[in-house]
Amino acid sequence: NAGVTQTPKFRILKIGQSMTLQCAQDMNHNYMYWYRQDPGMGLKLIYYSVGAGITDKGEVPNGYNVSRSTTEDFPLRLELAAPSQTSVYFCASSYRGWETQYFGPGTRLLVL
Amino acid sequence: KQEVTQIPAALSVPEGENLVLNCSFTDSAIYNLQWFRQDPGKGLTSLLLIQSSQREQTSGRLNASLDKSSGRSTLYIAASQPGDSATYLCAAPHTGANSKLTFGKGITLSVRP
Repeated sequence: NAGVTQTPKFRILKIGQSMTLQCAQDMNHNYMYWYRQDPGMGLKLIYYSVGAGITDKGEVPNGYNVSRSTTEDFPLRLELAAPSQTSVYFCASSYRGWETQYFGPGTRLLVL
Repeated sequence: KQEVTQIPAALSVPEGENLVLNCSFTDSAIYNLQWFRQDPGKGLTSLLLIQSSQREQTSGRLNASLDKSSGRSTLYIAASQPGDSATYLCAAPHTGANSKLTFGKGITLSVRP
C-alpha cells in the first residue's frame, strides 16, 4: 500500500492564481481530511469528508473548496490564491472517524 | 470548544534519559486521544491512540496515559535516543465531534548524544 499520497510536493503561486492539491489513499478509508500547518502552530482543519459525495467545512474553510467523487481521491482547490494561504497542507484519512488518522507527506505552498 | 495545550514548546535532554511530554485539553468528554510524531519536513506519523475507557497504551519504549477527569494526557519515552528527536503532537476530538481533531502546537524534542 502506498498509503496517503499528495502532489505536488512544492509549488509557488502568484497572487490570484488557482490550483488543485491532489490527495489519494489506497486503504479504502471512508474519512478524509485536509489540514494546514503554519510555523509554530498546530494543524487546522480546512475540510473533511465522511465518504464519497459528502464533504463538510472545518475550522478554516474560507478560500478553499473540495470535492469527493470517489473513495480514493479528495482534491483541495484554491481559488484566487492569497499570501495568507502560504502554508504546508496535509491530507489525512481514517477508516472510521474516531480511529487513527494516517497522513500524507504534505504539500508546501508559497503564494507571492 | 476543545482546546489542546502542550507545554513546553521545546525540550532538550541527554541520551538515555526517561522523559514525559504533557498534553492538556479543555473538554473532557472525549472518545479517545492521539499522539503523533512529526519529523522536519515530513507528515505526521501516528504513535498511539488511547481510548477513553483505557488509562494507558504502550508501544515499545512509548507509553501514553489518559486522565479525562483532569483533562491531561502524558507521553512517556523510556531511555531516549537521538533518533527520538522530533516534534510530538497530541490531538483530541472536537467538542461533540469525534471524527474531527484539535491539535496541540507540539513539543519539539531534541535528544543530545
